[in-house]
Amino acid sequence: NAGVTQTPKFRVLKTGQSMTLLCAQDMNHEYMYWYRQDPGMGLRLIHYSVGEGTTAKGEVPDGYNVSRLKKQNFLLGLESAAPSQTSVYFCASSYLQGAEAFFGQGTRLTVV
Amino acid sequence: EDKVVQSPLSLVVHEGDTVTLNCSYEVTNFRSLLWYKQEKKAPTFLFMLTSSGIEKKSGRLSSILDKKELFSILNITATQTGDSAVYLCAPFDFGNEKLTFGTGTRLTIIP
Repeated sequence: NAGVTQTPKFRVLKTGQSMTLLCAQDMNHEYMYWYRQDPGMGLRLIHYSVGEGTTAKGEVPDGYNVSRLKKQNFLLGLESAAPSQTSVYFCASSYLQGAEAFFGQGTRLTVV
Repeated sequence: EDKVVQSPLSLVVHEGDTVTLNCSYEVTNFRSLLWYKQEKKAPTFLFMLTSSGIEKKSGRLSSILDKKELFSILNITATQTGDSAVYLCAPFDFGNEKLTFGTGTRLTIIP
């Protein structure tokens, strides 16, 4: 049982480059989330989805885009990476909002 | 704006001690509060609390919620080195559909 899988696990980007982080869950969850975690800031919600084909902005959405074309996948895109986007990114999914969320192992992204 | 304050920020105790971690919150439309344990990677779920005064328990860990005073506590008894981690609390606001995470309490257990 894989749960929530994120790829890649590590990435170094140059300023201005683009990339996509992939999140896949095999629990048939409706709700999926992307968070970033920075020292002293806690986990902050970037974007989320309440079902296939839906997306919504979270607390810190600027500079990111997302897509949920299939229920099991939630993609996070950075169109033009900036050093301020250096962070650890976590994807999560849940069967209900406000209920237990299962997290992926994280992606450590460095923008130089 | 939803707010979460966890205290203490860090705690160092000896193996076998009992610890109490605190989480106070301000949420406009409260539905639930979740506790997570984060070691080196992904946060792992501990408890979800929705009702005041009802203790949730799992082994040496327990948690309780006070919706009137807007706080929750997480207790760990007979601590072990494997309990060393950052503990996060997160209330859920059903108005803005958001879990707001605190910055966590870093717990270190000395053998």
